[in-house]
Formats: sequence, structure tokens, C-alpha cells
Amino acid sequence: AQSVAQPEDQVNVAEGNPLTVKCTYSVSGNPYLFWYVQYPNRGLQFLLKYITGDNLVKGSYGFEAEFNKSQTSFHLKKPSALVSDSALYFCAVRDLQDSGAGSYQLTFGKGTKLSVIP
Amino acid sequence: GAVVSQHPSRVICKSGTSVKIECRSLDFQATTMFWYRQFPKKSLMLMATSNEGSKATYEQGVEKDKFLINHASLTLSTLTVTSAHPEDSSFYICSAALGASPNYEQFFGPGTRLTVL
Repeated sequence: AQSVAQPEDQVNVAEGNPLTVKCTYSVSGNPYLFWYVQYPNRGLQFLLKYITGDNLVKGSYGFEAEFNKSQTSFHLKKPSALVSDSALYFCAVRDLQDSGAGSYQLTFGKGTKLSVIP
Repeated sequence: GAVVSQHPSRVICKSGTSVKIECRSLDFQATTMFWYRQFPKKSLMLMATSNEGSKATYEQGVEKDKFLINHASLTLSTLTVTSAHPEDSSFYICSAALGASPNYEQFFGPGTRLTVL
């Protein structure tokens, strides 16, 4: 079974400082990894994804994430945080090995609330 | 990019009534759509996978007779909450799959806030 862990419920960072939101995953085969952001009362907005290739993935709004296979991690980073980055961030994984469940479902972490302090 | 819409964005209904939520892929065809439920300060819980022209696949613990899903076309899936009760109040989010399994991407709708009085 696939799973995602976001160990931090909340991350606080000062505006202008670098930010990191942590994510680790567990899959049977190869992972297809995603980061999404959610603003209050809104759906999920796609930030970036990793399926293969360069371990450092660049996405929307200046965010990037680094795939680390040995640590099974996919941490989200940004060099300089903005107040407008304050939101709920979700890491998600899809196992590219068919477990027989059929639909290659996306499994989400519990989410990390990012607060950027002016 | 691909856009998914949901209607209504917000609905308030009385206990015992039924509510229909629409999910549309606006600029692409989606054989597969997904319905999620999100509780306050919680992650998304997959309720069911909706496949065009066939019955939806429900996750364990989700009552298929209470949450009726119809995926009648390649651009529209509907979720009907039947005989709604206050405990059904939640944020419902749909997504549509673009591309072939397992490498498809999911695009999410803006969500529907359901409040049952």
C-alpha cells in the first residue's frame, strides 16, 4: 500500500527566509509525486510533480522540490518566502506499480499549514 | 492548463433533502473523475472513482446508495448526496484525470461547501 507522511502540521517562517515543507512517501514500485497548494475554501492547485529525470523539480510560484530516493523524500522548498505563500500544502503520491486496485489512485498526506510572518 | 469546474460552489440544504453537485472538465475529456471529501483541517479522503459509462468504484466505508455518482459524459460527473444529514456537511472536491493510466494528471475543481441544517 502507498502512503505519504507530512510530519509537520504547521510551519512558520519569516517573510524573505527560505522555507521547507517536508514529505516522505512509501510505495511498492516507482513513485509519481506531486505537491498541491490549497487556499481557504478553494480546491487544490498544482505546484509541481516528479515522475522521472532530474531530481530537482521546479514548479509554479518559485517553488521547487527535491526527489531523494534513498530517503524516500520529496521536500518542498522556496528560497524566499512571501506572505502570499501562506496556505495549506499537500504532498501526494501515486504508485506506478499496479497493486491490483486498478485505478492508480493518488494518496494525499494530511497537509501542512504554512504561515509566512511579515 | 486544464480546467475543472464545480457547481454549486456553496449550498445549504435542509436535513432529509438531496443535493446534486456537478463536476465538469471544461477543455478536455475525462474518462475518469474522482470525488473527494475534506473535513476541516484534514486531508482529502477519496470517496469514489467515477468512470464514464460505467458504475463508480466506491472506497471502503462510503455508502454508494447515499452518495450517488453518475458519469454520463466525458466532461461531466455528478455527485448526489441523498437524504442529507448534518454529518454530511463537508467540503467536496472533484478531480478529472487527463492522460492514460498510470501517468495521468489530476486537475481539481474549486470545491463545493455543503452545509446541511
